[in-house]
Amino acid sequence: EVQLLESGGGLVQPGGSLRLSCVASGFNFNFYAMNWVRQAPGKGPEWVSGISGSGGNTYYADSVKGRFTISRDNAKNTLFLQMDSLRGEDTALYYCAKGLVIGPAATPFDYWGQGTLLTVSP
Amino acid sequence: EIVMTQSPATLSVSPGERATLSCRASQTIRSNLAWYQQKPGQAPRLLIYGASTRATGIPARFSGSGSGTEFTLTISSLQSEDFAVYYCQHYKNWPSLTFGGGTKVEIK
Repeated sequence: EVQLLESGGGLVQPGGSLRLSCVASGFNFNFYAMNWVRQAPGKGPEWVSGISGSGGNTYYADSVKGRFTISRDNAKNTLFLQMDSLRGEDTALYYCAKGLVIGPAATPFDYWGQGTLLTVSP
Repeated sequence: EIVMTQSPATLSVSPGERATLSCRASQTIRSNLAWYQQKPGQAPRLLIYGASTRATGIPARFSGSGSGTEFTLTISSLQSEDFAVYYCQHYKNWPSLTFGGGTKVEIK
């Protein structure tokens, strides 16, 4: 059974930093691209960042480029999101999501975690 | 960036009736379109990918169609568990895999 378990959310002041983690199980983690998707309260999902199976390719939404860094540790089946220079508009529930198919192309997301909440507030 | 626009924002339907949801892309995305269902307090669930392929375990009453810029999700006979918010998402290419604003399907 595929499982994705996020952690690391919390309350941070504007300008602060935080690192999210997502531990995966139930599939060959290193074969699949992984993603972070966030959802602000009452809003729709927003794709934030993606990373290829090997970790060699990373992608970012314009809204977080230069502030967030995605990475993965395939030996530990773990995905990370380092978030710096945080802003109020980053407040959201952050999900990690697994790519549907193996390969370099972008794919939809077939499994999602339950999310970890980030609140950016003074 | 490709913009995804969904309509209507809210759809009121009686149980057993048909629901038709629309999604438009600002430029062609071929068939690189997915639909998700989200219920309160839950993560989105993949329903359809490739514009028309049902994901594993998705009932046959859910169907998708379209290509290029115009897409449709049809729920043939709404069940009580289908009342939720539905999102489309393009995955034509990295880096931006944008979602639409959603359609809430509510009980009439």
